[in-house]
Amino acid sequence: DAGVTQSPTHLIKTRGQQVTLRCSPISGHKSVSWYQQVLGQGPQFIFQYYEKEERGRGNFPDRFSARQFPNYSSELNVNALLLGDSALYLCASSFPFSGTEQYFGPGTRLTVT
Amino acid sequence: DAKTTQPPSMDCAEGRAANLPCNHSTISGNEYVYWYRQIHSQGPQYIIHGLKNNETNEMASLIITEDRKSSTLILPHATLRDTAVYYCIVRVEGGANNLFFGTGTRLTVIP
Repeated sequence: DAGVTQSPTHLIKTRGQQVTLRCSPISGHKSVSWYQQVLGQGPQFIFQYYEKEERGRGNFPDRFSARQFPNYSSELNVNALLLGDSALYLCASSFPFSGTEQYFGPGTRLTVT
Repeated sequence: DAKTTQPPSMDCAEGRAANLPCNHSTISGNEYVYWYRQIHSQGPQYIIHGLKNNETNEMASLIITEDRKSSTLILPHATLRDTAVYYCIVRVEGGANNLFFGTGTRLTVIP
């Protein structure tokens, strides 16, 4: 079975632009969580979606938003990009909502110039 | 969720046991201890978790002190592929999947 997949792998954007990152969970997993990992730090929780509803939000500004689709895939959107948004964005899936083990994708490396 | 404290880095000789400590002195009674690791340029990988009893799986063993204020992750026979950042996390079972990672311990396995 395929693991968690994320696209694109790498992305370069300019300050002020908007970006959309995509995640496909493991088949059968209904929960998707998003994390931001700045270089040298551990991942920081952004959102959790379960059954297409937001079930948790970390301490991130409203420029960050996400949604989950009927097939349980998810998109993370970031508006008005700042240099500080440069990071590795990780997606994790689990089943059920509070699954013991989260399975992480390889991440999307976003560079804002 | 309770915070955890880990040493920033450790070395271990290949083939020897790697013992990674974690302090979680403010852990609550319903919080579990989780360990994840992140190999360079990959997403984190679940290793093991426990509440108060020692746990063992095919990857590692988890030893939790009786007062639950600290724990140790043991990799019994470290290999070069175990070189990674190891994160100790405490989390309420049944809660949202909002793992709070710290900065972890960078384990380097030396040939």
